[in-house]
Amino acid sequence: AQSVTQLDSHVSVSEGTPVLLRCNYSSSYSPSLFWYVQHPNKGLQLLLKYTSAATLVKGINGFEAEFKKSETSFHLTKPSAHMSDAAEYFCVAPSGGYNKLIFGAGTRLAVHP
Amino acid sequence: EPEVTQTPSHQVTQMGQEVILRCVPISNHLYFYWYRQILGQKVEFLVSFYNNEISEKSEIFDDQFSVERPDGSNFTLKIRSTKLEDSAMYFCASSLAGGRSSYNEQFFGPGTRLTVL
Repeated sequence: AQSVTQLDSHVSVSEGTPVLLRCNYSSSYSPSLFWYVQHPNKGLQLLLKYTSAATLVKGINGFEAEFKKSETSFHLTKPSAHMSDAAEYFCVAPSGGYNKLIFGAGTRLAVHP
Repeated sequence: EPEVTQTPSHQVTQMGQEVILRCVPISNHLYFYWYRQILGQKVEFLVSFYNNEISEKSEIFDDQFSVERPDGSNFTLKIRSTKLEDSAMYFCASSLAGGRSSYNEQFFGPGTRLTVL
């Protein structure tokens, strides 16, 4: 069965500095993986998804993630944080049948001036 | 841009009461889902629904829970007799397709916060 582990519950960065949100997965087969973001009082929004086409995946708002099989990781990065990036980020994997999503615990990103 | 909507945003109820959480999925979507997040815990899958029947459900989704698509636009989650431990944020989601389709992205609503007293 697939599972995802987000290594940090909270990350705090200064505006303009890089963002790194870490996610490790475990799967008995080649997974698909997603990053979702939730802004306050908003629904979960898909940032990007990996489906084995390319290991470096670009998403919305300047975010990207790299799938590293050797490290079983799918970390989310952004070169320069913006105040509007403050939100909760979830690393997510679909179940084997793709009928449901399996969520990591979430990482709350704070961006300060 | 089309979006999933949920009502109410916050529901307070007494233990033992029935609640119905309402969702309006994106209009051309065919697959529907409910998830919940208890405060401080992970988002958990509850149920998926397609072609007017449940496709998959978790062990959480016991006989106290039911889902329905009463008309062409609404998708509801009913809890028959609420317990204190049902207090959580409930998220509805919908997707155009299921399985490994390229169109299987799940679009989420903003959630309904259910508080059981």
